Amino acid sequence: EAAVTQSPRSKVAVTGGKVTLSCHQTNNHDYMYWYRQDTGHGLRLIHYSYVADSTEKGDIPDGYKASRPSQENFSLILELASLSQTAVYFCASRAQGANTEVFFGKGTRLTVV
Amino acid sequence: GDSVTQTEGQVTVSESKSLIINCTYSATSIAYPNLFWYVRYPGEGLQLLLKVITAGQKGSSRGFEATYNKETTSFHLQKASVQESDSAVYYCALSDRAGGLSGKLTFGEGTQVTVIS
Repeated sequence: EAAVTQSPRSKVAVTGGKVTLSCHQTNNHDYMYWYRQDTGHGLRLIHYSYVADSTEKGDIPDGYKASRPSQENFSLILELASLSQTAVYFCASRAQGANTEVFFGKGTRLTVV
Repeated sequence: GDSVTQTEGQVTVSESKSLIINCTYSATSIAYPNLFWYVRYPGEGLQLLLKVITAGQKGSSRGFEATYNKETTSFHLQKASVQESDSAVYYCALSDRAGGLSGKLTFGEGTQVTVIS
């Protein structure tokens, strides 16, 4: 069973502080993703990576950085957290190929106060 | 850009009754989108419920069905008889069949389904 593990599962951060969300996959997948979900909206892509040591911008990258130090790990970094970044964040992974299944983590609920 | 629309944010249905969740899509940059339904049970991550990659085809899983209708650009999810265990959030999504560089998914807003006994 493919596994994507996110940590922490929940976090409260102060405005202006630095936040790091971590994601670890044991699927041996090349692709990893960070999505965010806001109430009443679908998941939107922030950053993704298709190989270690390289990241790409998604649809809403502003205010976020990503890091992929190894194939298994993919972090999302908020250097200066803002109230508007309160959301649920999902990490996902998939194997290379056009129709491969995407596997999601359980999500991290981030509240910025 | 590409988009997916789910018109119902919340649906409450009685056990053993039928369920329909509407999904329409717009794929302006993708000639042949793949269509998906994902489900998120409480406390869990999103799971793939079913997918269809060919227009006109029907996908099915766990009693749910959805037909890829290219003419109406719709991919409605249906179940004839729901159970309490079907209570979850359901997401319609699309991706580029060719994969593209990102292989990203474009999601609808999600529909919270609550099944009552």
